[in-house]
Amino acid sequence: ETGVTQTPRHLVMGMTNKKSLKCEQHLGHNAMYWYKQSAKKPLELMFVYNFKEQTENNSVPSRFSPECPNSSHLFLHLHTLQPEDSALYLCASSQFSGTSRLSSGNTIYFGEGSWLTVV
Amino acid sequence: AQTVTQSQPEMSVQEAETVTLSCTYDTSENNYYLFWYKQPPSRQMILVIRQEAYKQQNATENRFSVNFQKAAKSFSLKISDSQLGDTAMYFCAFMTPQGGSEKLVFGKGTKLTVNP
Repeated sequence: ETGVTQTPRHLVMGMTNKKSLKCEQHLGHNAMYWYKQSAKKPLELMFVYNFKEQTENNSVPSRFSPECPNSSHLFLHLHTLQPEDSALYLCASSQFSGTSRLSSGNTIYFGEGSWLTVV
Repeated sequence: AQTVTQSQPEMSVQEAETVTLSCTYDTSENNYYLFWYKQPPSRQMILVIRQEAYKQQNATENRFSVNFQKAAKSFSLKISDSQLGDTAMYFCAFMTPQGGSEKLVFGKGTKLTVNP
């Protein structure tokens, strides 16, 4: 059982489709993240949202569009993807201090991931 | 830029034995956290243990302990009394506040297999 839930767990989409990944955290956190995990690369941070505001876009192509309507929900809208975008997409959350100092006791918690296959 | 290096792509250990996974990192920051995460075949990323850089005492969590050498920028994970359920990918990660965010930088991982 996890405090961060992701849906769908598996998604197959064509290159012209539009789909979305959903993430919900039940931990009362104020920061949410999207990470991408490909077969032969380290986990890559894609986006960070603190207090519903995007604070990080790690040079992600515009075919990935995040949305954070509130601190508990995070979406990743997918459009015109490429086969190389096939990967495991991990959502995560944490309690951000809002300052430049690390939050005491801060830890990032992950969901189970959404497997995306682009055909 | 911060980097995390795990020099052992794969390791194996016999059940009940002890194994140590290596991790080194590079940073100019003085305020940071280090983590070990475990990712079993289910792909859920599970926190194993964390260490605050300002603490000299090594963190322990049941069968898991770390050897934190700040000057050497080394953060190894020791698993004692290995169990079959410890079979997983293990990722070392580093966190520091940057640009208004707290972000994890991960190593490439070590695949650990516990053999019966």
